[in-house]
Amino acid sequence: DVKVTQSSRYLVKRTGEKVFLECVQDMDHENMFWYRQDPGLGLRLIYFSYDVKMKEKGDIPEGYSVSREKKERFSLILESASTNQTSMYLCASRERGEQFFGPGTRLTVL
Amino acid sequence: AQSVTQPDIHITVSEGASLELRCNYSYGATPYLFWYVQPPGQGLQLLLKYFSGDTLVQGIKGFEAGFKRSQSSFNLRKPSVHWSDAAEYFCAVGGSNYQLIWGAGTKLIIKP
Repeated sequence: DVKVTQSSRYLVKRTGEKVFLECVQDMDHENMFWYRQDPGLGLRLIYFSYDVKMKEKGDIPEGYSVSREKKERFSLILESASTNQTSMYLCASRERGEQFFGPGTRLTVL
Repeated sequence: AQSVTQPDIHITVSEGASLELRCNYSYGATPYLFWYVQPPGQGLQLLLKYFSGDTLVQGIKGFEAGFKRSQSSFNLRKPSVHWSDAAEYFCAVGGSNYQLIWGAGTKLIIKP
């Protein structure tokens, strides 16, 4: 089975802090994604990566950056966390059109 | 523009009753279609997918979905729901590129 893991289930940070969210997949997938999920808005794509060191902006990249130095790992970075970035963050990897999700990180920015 | 509409934000169904969750999409080419389920506090799990072929697709946990090209719909059904089916359900459409277009989700509430 494909396994996608995220470094934390719950995270509490303060405004202005730099935040790293890590995602690791074990199936050698080339494509990986970061979404944020907010009630009533569904999943919104922040960034995706179609290969190592390759990245593309999604629908809401502002305030975020990403890093993909190794195939299995895709990191989301909040350079200076703000309260409006309080959300559920979901990582996914993709194979043959299907996306496989991690358990999510619920981030609260105070 | 490509889009996915799930018209019902919440649906309440009695345990043992049948279920249909609606999904309509707008997509220029032949779509790939997905239904995912998100149990409370968890990530998303694929229920079923349609790429081509038979328009009635069987999935896990007793779910099925019917693709109707003329109506641009991909509705999810289950003959008899169980309390463990309480979750949020997402419809998504994708094509030849990397991304999926997601609906806003339907939250399923099960009455005992």
